[in-house]
Amino acid sequence: GENVEQHPSTLSVQEGDSAVIKCTYSDSASNYFPWYKQELGKRPQLIIDIRSNVGEKKDQRIAVTLNKTAKHFSLHITETQPEDSAVYFCAASIGGKLIFGQGTELSVKP
Amino acid sequence: EPEVTQTPSHQVTQMGQEVILRCVPISNHLYFYWYRQILGQKVEFLVSFYNNEISEKSEIFDDQFSVERPDGSNFTLKIRSTKLEDSAMYFCASSAPELAGYNEQFFGPGTRLTVL
Repeated sequence: GENVEQHPSTLSVQEGDSAVIKCTYSDSASNYFPWYKQELGKRPQLIIDIRSNVGEKKDQRIAVTLNKTAKHFSLHITETQPEDSAVYFCAASIGGKLIFGQGTELSVKP
Repeated sequence: EPEVTQTPSHQVTQMGQEVILRCVPISNHLYFYWYRQILGQKVEFLVSFYNNEISEKSEIFDDQFSVERPDGSNFTLKIRSTKLEDSAMYFCASSAPELAGYNEQFFGPGTRLTVL
């Protein structure tokens, strides 16, 4: 069935370091891959997304890469700041619905 | 900037009772979704809705669940007879029509449902 695996489940970095979160998806028909940031008790907020016809996208300190052949996509955050601390979810869109990964709790230590 | 809104923010109910969760999607959006998130777990798809009918539903969305767009602005999720395991945060989301399939979904703030 449709599934998205996300790793790691927790990630702790020092302020200024980079953080990388990886996801794999099972359904090759997936065509849209958003990343959401969720702070405690809040709604998921879209931070970046990538469509299946693009291999890489960057927005300031955040970048996402997509390898359709391997069915992998990754989130890269550079120069991390304490306010980046949150749970990050990847997702794959199949016919509109989003299938989410299990989440990565990122902790940025000052 | 327009946002998806949801009411109530927190609903407490007794097992077996019916609950209705309400959402107001962004006004020019035509695709609507319900997701749920059990505490500490991932967000799970429940149902998608377009053109006044269900487009797709997950295994979670059984006969106890229903959705409705009773007027031009509201989108509701009804759980007919709540179970303890229905306790979760329920998120409504909407997306714009022109990018169907490439849909940036905007999430509401959620309704925390607690079933006692």
